[in-house]
Amino acid sequence: GAGVSQSPRYKVAKRGQDVALRCDPISGHVSLFWYQQALGQGPEFLTYFQNEAQLDKSGLPSDRFFAERPEGSVSTLKIQRTQQEDSAVYLCASSLARGGSYNEQFFGPGTRLTVL
Amino acid sequence: SQQGEEDPQALSIQEGENATMNCSYKTSINNLQWYRQNSGRGLVHLILIRSNEREKHSGRLRVTLDTSKKSSSLLITASRAADTASYFCATAPRDNYGQNFVFGPGTRLSVLP
Repeated sequence: GAGVSQSPRYKVAKRGQDVALRCDPISGHVSLFWYQQALGQGPEFLTYFQNEAQLDKSGLPSDRFFAERPEGSVSTLKIQRTQQEDSAVYLCASSLARGGSYNEQFFGPGTRLTVL
Repeated sequence: SQQGEEDPQALSIQEGENATMNCSYKTSINNLQWYRQNSGRGLVHLILIRSNEREKHSGRLRVTLDTSKKSSSLLITASRAADTASYFCATAPRDNYGQNFVFGPGTRLSVLP
């Protein structure tokens, strides 16, 4: 079956531009996570959704970052007024049940964002 | 900030040898998971061990968990060149209802043919 997909795979933005990153989780998965991964580092938690509810957004680095999952399936991570320090790979993961980190997570391939 | 720390940061071994990676964490957990990441397949789940378990096996993988020391180890036996990747431990904090997940910085394993 289809896994987690993300688009675009690569995004180059000029400093100050807004970007939107899309995640299509595995169908029927309740939990969805977004992570930010800098080069050579482990993924850092950004935010968690249970269906359409954003239950934890403690990892979002600033109010320029916004995530939504309005119908409980596809999710979008939006970054406003991008800065060079936002350059990273953004990973999305989904998990079958609620309480997503209590079970295996399935990761997408990531979106590599480069801010010039 | 990352809770887990892997040790060593990098490891280079010959094919057929065993590889051991360690992970330490700071807070009480519900479970600890190990993931592998390489450029070809992205992040892939390897094994999950719950806080009430001490050891778990999956094929050539053996994971141990010591909650008193807040540490875990991943052993890969009879390594293959295809095992070359970065390995991450990640923890689900006990009091976050599965809504948070904390990765360590990873161990970069190179298996030489």
